[in-house]
Amino acid sequence: QVQLQESGPGLVKPSETLSLTCAVSGYSISSSYYWGWIRQPPGKGLEWIGNIYHSGNTNYNPSLKSRVTISIDTSQNQFSLNLSSVTAADTAVYYCARSRSYLPFDFWGQGTLVTVSS
Amino acid sequence: QSVLTQPPSASGTPGQRVTISCSGSSSNIGRNTVNWYQQLPGTAPKLLIYSNDQRPSGVPDRFSGSKSGTSASLAISGLQSGDEADYYCAAWDDSRNVVFGGGTKLTVL
Repeated sequence: QVQLQESGPGLVKPSETLSLTCAVSGYSISSSYYWGWIRQPPGKGLEWIGNIYHSGNTNYNPSLKSRVTISIDTSQNQFSLNLSSVTAADTAVYYCARSRSYLPFDFWGQGTLVTVSS
Repeated sequence: QSVLTQPPSASGTPGQRVTISCSGSSSNIGRNTVNWYQQLPGTAPKLLIYSNDQRPSGVPDRFSGSKSGTSASLAISGLQSGDEADYYCAAWDDSRNVVFGGGTKLTVL
């Protein structure tokens, strides 16, 4: 069974960089699939942040593209999210998930709350 | 402002049939398939319907999906109290981006 687990600081200061990692078990991320990040501000809907393909190719939400970097570490079977210059508006539960091209996110992590505050 | 448009709320009584709509454009729903997610309170979203009308293993056939043109619908028949959740539609667009609807909160009266 594929499992994803997010990890990283739960509190980030404004203007700093938010960094999260998603550890994948039960599947080798170098084999195939897109690996994505999705976030959900408290009480609001889902927002796609971006995907990375197993080859390293990326796609980012145009509204976040200037601040987002997603990378992949096949040796550790994990992928990461960096979001720079954060503000309070970036406070959200951040999920990592797996999908195939033009198909849905079929496995999700449990999510991790990141609060941006001084 | 979400790319896909859903009604913010829907409701029904136990046993009823409810539908939730999702409206997009020619660059997303009009060109690619629609997926639906169910999010129970305090949990991660769960895939409910994929490729417009396909149910993953374990999803009851009370849940069904359809698509026509640039719109899609999720139908839930035989409504149960356990169906009370937020429902999101999603699709890929022309640029290989993923777009979500704003979500619909389903209340079972």
